[in-house]
Amino acid sequence: AQKITQTQPGMFVQEKEAVTLDCTYDTSDQSYGLFWYKQPSSGEMIFLIYQGSYDEQNATEGRYSLNFQKARKSANLVISASQLGDSAMYFCALRYNFNKFYFGSGTKLNVKP
Amino acid sequence: GAVVSQHPSWVICKSGTSVKIECRSLDFQATTMFWYRQFPKQSLMLMATSNEGSKATYEQGVEKDKFLINHASLTLSTLTVTSAHPEDSSFYICSASGREGREQYFGPGTRLTVT
Repeated sequence: AQKITQTQPGMFVQEKEAVTLDCTYDTSDQSYGLFWYKQPSSGEMIFLIYQGSYDEQNATEGRYSLNFQKARKSANLVISASQLGDSAMYFCALRYNFNKFYFGSGTKLNVKP
Repeated sequence: GAVVSQHPSWVICKSGTSVKIECRSLDFQATTMFWYRQFPKQSLMLMATSNEGSKATYEQGVEKDKFLINHASLTLSTLTVTSAHPEDSSFYICSASGREGREQYFGPGTRLTVT
């Protein structure tokens, strides 16, 4: 069975500081993918970053980076230089069985001015 | 590229009626489409997977007779909530993936309220 765990229901960060959102996963698949999505109050799911299970380098996309530790089965999202617009729900997702997604419970991030 | 639209963005219907939600891939051919349900302050739960031209595969616990899914073309999938009840009120999100299948592109969601 697939499992994604986000242990931080809510996080606060000061504007311009970095923040790490935790995500651990469990899967029996050898080939899988890990995604992070941002969901603002409008409800749309905004793709942030992707890490493949065979990728040796940690993924980076602008201010977003993914700290992938395969042996520990963790895929933490790091947001550098937080902005007020970063306040939203953040979901970690595991792609398994070729194209199915399983989502974590989410972390609500609040950026304080 | 990779834009997915949903219509309507919100709908209110009376208990006992049926409501149809459309999901369209605007600039790519979606070989597979997915339907999710999200309750307030909760995560997305996969309801079903549909491949163009074939029957949808429903996740355990999802009533296939209540949530009818049709994937008639490579750009359109529909979800019909039949005989809706207040407990069906939720945020429904579709996503689509192309032939490579590695990534899912999400629609903006449909907020359903059943009164």
